[in-house]
Amino acid sequence: EPEVTQTPSHQVTQMGQEVILRCVPISNHLYFYWYRQILGQKVEFLVSFYNNEISEKSEIFDDQFSVERPDGSNFTLKIRSTKLEDSAMYFCASTPPRERNTEAFFGQGTRLTVV
Amino acid sequence: AQKITQTQPGMFVQEKEAVTLDCTYDTSDPSYGLFWYKQPSSGEMIFLIYQGSYDQQNATEGRYSLNFQKARKSANLVISASQLGDSAMYFCAMRGLYGSGNTGKLIFGQGTTLQVKP
Repeated sequence: EPEVTQTPSHQVTQMGQEVILRCVPISNHLYFYWYRQILGQKVEFLVSFYNNEISEKSEIFDDQFSVERPDGSNFTLKIRSTKLEDSAMYFCASTPPRERNTEAFFGQGTRLTVV
Repeated sequence: AQKITQTQPGMFVQEKEAVTLDCTYDTSDPSYGLFWYKQPSSGEMIFLIYQGSYDQQNATEGRYSLNFQKARKSANLVISASQLGDSAMYFCAMRGLYGSGNTGKLIFGQGTTLQVKP
């Protein structure tokens, strides 16, 4: 069964460092998303990406964040200068072409710890 | 704006009994989808069940069923015959129909932690 793959599963970084979280969505999917979940809290939408551009972003997704789909398979989230409050689980998700009743397929998540 | 509310932070259920996890929502979209995801302690998000706003029947998937009451804007998850492996966090989520400015993003509730007792 096809799945969304995220790497790394866990990353520890120093405050102020740049991190890149990587995702390989399911190959025929067209819509890509990043979500964030601070420990013990709800899952929050960060950004959606379609047709090689950002289609929507939340207020969390400020200038420190960027997304890319550099080669048609990988989908990356970059945090330019990490802060302690960026510590969270980051989920990548993708959905197929517009199908009304299709769930978002989530990766297993990357747990980011900023120290 | 869309909003999902889960008012039960934690629930306990005896093994083999049924349990209902509450979810209410608010949206101005005429068409939308409602989802339930399970998040075990390992952290991954596991899709359980989907209900479309225009679906005539309540969704069912094995031991999971969705009690959809559109007029009351509720989409409660019913788990029958609880198992120890059902212990997890459960999230209700909503998505607007693609188009008309909707990008297919999911809006999540706060989650309910379910513990199944042996």
